Amino acid sequence: DAGVIQSPRHEVTEMGQEVTLRCKPISGHNSLFWYRQTMMRGLELLIYFNNNVPIDDSGMPEDRFSAKMPNASFSTLKIQPSEPRDSAVYFCASSFLGYEQYFGPGTRLTVT
Amino acid sequence: QQQVKQSPQSLIVQKGGISIINCAYENTAFDYFPWYQQFPGKGPALLIAIRPDVSEKKEGRFTISFNKSAKQFSLHIMDSQPGDSATYFCAASVGSNYQLIWGAGTKLIIKP
Repeated sequence: DAGVIQSPRHEVTEMGQEVTLRCKPISGHNSLFWYRQTMMRGLELLIYFNNNVPIDDSGMPEDRFSAKMPNASFSTLKIQPSEPRDSAVYFCASSFLGYEQYFGPGTRLTVT
Repeated sequence: QQQVKQSPQSLIVQKGGISIINCAYENTAFDYFPWYQQFPGKGPALLIAIRPDVSEKKEGRFTISFNKSAKQFSLHIMDSQPGDSATYFCAASVGSNYQLIWGAGTKLIIKP
């Protein structure tokens, strides 16, 4: 298996622009998690899906962030409009029946 | 009550020494305690995990010690090697809730 796939790996954008991060979970996994990692705040869970349904989005920082999972093999995290404080590494992770989470390589987002 | 407190924040150990990282929790409903290892530029990866029905689990040079009464668990790395230099995260979850509660992370440096 190719593991969790994330794209793009790096994204540089200007403040106010829309940013879309993409994730393909491991085939057969039924849970998907979006995390944000910064030096200041560490690893933060933004939202997670179970069987494509959002279960807990309490970690989404504000309405500028939205996430979708239209099917079992694809999810997006969108930031609109982006701000410099959104600069971070965003990870997608997937798991089967919970417990062990497999992380993707991350997307390093820089908002200038 | 949902927090997992991890210490130390950083740790320097000589090659061949024992590295010890500690975590404490309050929620007695937690029933799964994993440790994740993260190398620079990579996503975290599961290293070893334990459930509260055992006091110790060993996999190679890595051992989790679990003290249910004290609500603490720790990671011991025996014969530490430079390749073990990474950031280590402890975490905890309640069985039916797939959301992991993460510690703040420990940056481990093994000096050759």
